[in-house]
Amino acid sequence: QLQLQESGPGLVRPSETLSLTCTVSSGSISSSPYYWGWIRQSPGKGLEWIGSIYYSGRTYYNPSLKSRLTISVDTPKDQFSLDLSSVTAADTAVYYCARHKAPSSAITAVGQNWFDPWGQGTLVTVSS
Amino acid sequence: DIQMTQSPSSLSASVGDRVTITCRASQSISTYVNWFQQKPGTAPKLLIFGASSLQSGVPSRFSGRGSGTDFTLTISSLQPEDFATYYCQQSYNTPFTFGPGTKVDI
Repeated sequence: QLQLQESGPGLVRPSETLSLTCTVSSGSISSSPYYWGWIRQSPGKGLEWIGSIYYSGRTYYNPSLKSRLTISVDTPKDQFSLDLSSVTAADTAVYYCARHKAPSSAITAVGQNWFDPWGQGTLVTVSS
Repeated sequence: DIQMTQSPSSLSASVGDRVTITCRASQSISTYVNWFQQKPGTAPKLLIFGASSLQSGVPSRFSGRGSGTDFTLTISSLQPEDFATYYCQQSYNTPFTFGPGTKVDI
């Protein structure tokens, strides 16, 4: 059964970069047509899709975060990562990684997208 | 961005009740809606994709309907393990967006 596990610092200083890694186990990150996504949840903004990446490195980002966001993939390690720069208190949230079922190698192609399964989530607090 | 709204924001119900949650999109999204269940301290769990397709392993008391802008999630006979918060999510276009949630409690 596919499992995902987030890892990274639980505390990040304002203006610094938030970095998280998701490790996929009991499955391959190179499976098609699956993307790998990041979603966060905060009391103020609820659930927010951050972005998704294909094993080839193709990415889709939420425009609201795009200027600060980098998502990358390491296929030999079955890992993908999130870097969010210039963080503020508004970036405090529980961050989840999830497998993103896409209609094809392009998530904007005609067809359904969904997130399943999810990692357990990791709380990241932005504070000095 | 497509805005997703849900009603009610919370509801109280009893075991055995039939419960219906409504989700509305700010524009027509065909059947590109997914439903998730979240219990405190855990990650959301996919229940329904494509508005009405039941995810593998999800009990048949859960069902989804709708197309266009209006969607419903129904629990035909509420069980103790169903007390949770439910979210809809649109996958019609990016950025994918979620509803604010409906909390189902006793």
